[in-house]
Amino acid sequence: EAGVTQFPSHSVIEKGQTVTLRCDPISGHDNLYWYRRVMGKEIKFLLHFVKESKQDESGMPNNRFLAERTGGTYSTLKVQPAELEDSGVYFCASSLHRQGISEKLFFGSGTQLSVL
Amino acid sequence: GNSVTQMEGPVTLSEEAFLTINCTYTATGYPSLFWYVQYPGEGLQLLLKATKADDKGSNKGFEATYRKETTSFHLEKGSVQVSDSAVYFCALSMNRDDKIIFGKGTRLHILP
Repeated sequence: EAGVTQFPSHSVIEKGQTVTLRCDPISGHDNLYWYRRVMGKEIKFLLHFVKESKQDESGMPNNRFLAERTGGTYSTLKVQPAELEDSGVYFCASSLHRQGISEKLFFGSGTQLSVL
Repeated sequence: GNSVTQMEGPVTLSEEAFLTINCTYTATGYPSLFWYVQYPGEGLQLLLKATKADDKGSNKGFEATYRKETTSFHLEKGSVQVSDSAVYFCALSMNRDDKIIFGKGTRLHILP
């Protein structure tokens, strides 16, 4: 069974440009989460989809970030325009059931975003 | 708010050494506690967990005990291997909450 897949694995862009990150969850997983780790800091929650609906987007830093999950399958996270402080690793995770005690939460390997 | 504090890295040890990575937490209520590991080039994986006070989580020779009195969940292993080299994250989650709160991570290097 394929795991959570993220694309690209690395992205280097200039300040002011737009970048779109993609996450393909495990097939059949209704719950999809985005997290971000800024250099040297904690991994922080960004948002949670249940199918195509945003269940919780309280962690989204500002309106330069837009997440979508059309059709309830893969998700995209767009940053427009990118700023230097957006650099970090963006993780996606999926689960069959709500996160609860996190036992069945599967993470992707992340997208390393560098904004120059 | 709820938070996790873990020891700064990197931690460098020789093979077969004893490992401790300290983790303390702050939470309103009774969280579940976790250790996640990220091996090079891979995603985060759940290493072990404990859901209530005095529970001991264990996996792959690693152990951690949920200590409510000291609000701690220190990770230990009696004899580390080169293959244990990775980044380790302590984390918590409040029951019925969909967010995981992570620490900053501790990079572990094991020398042969």
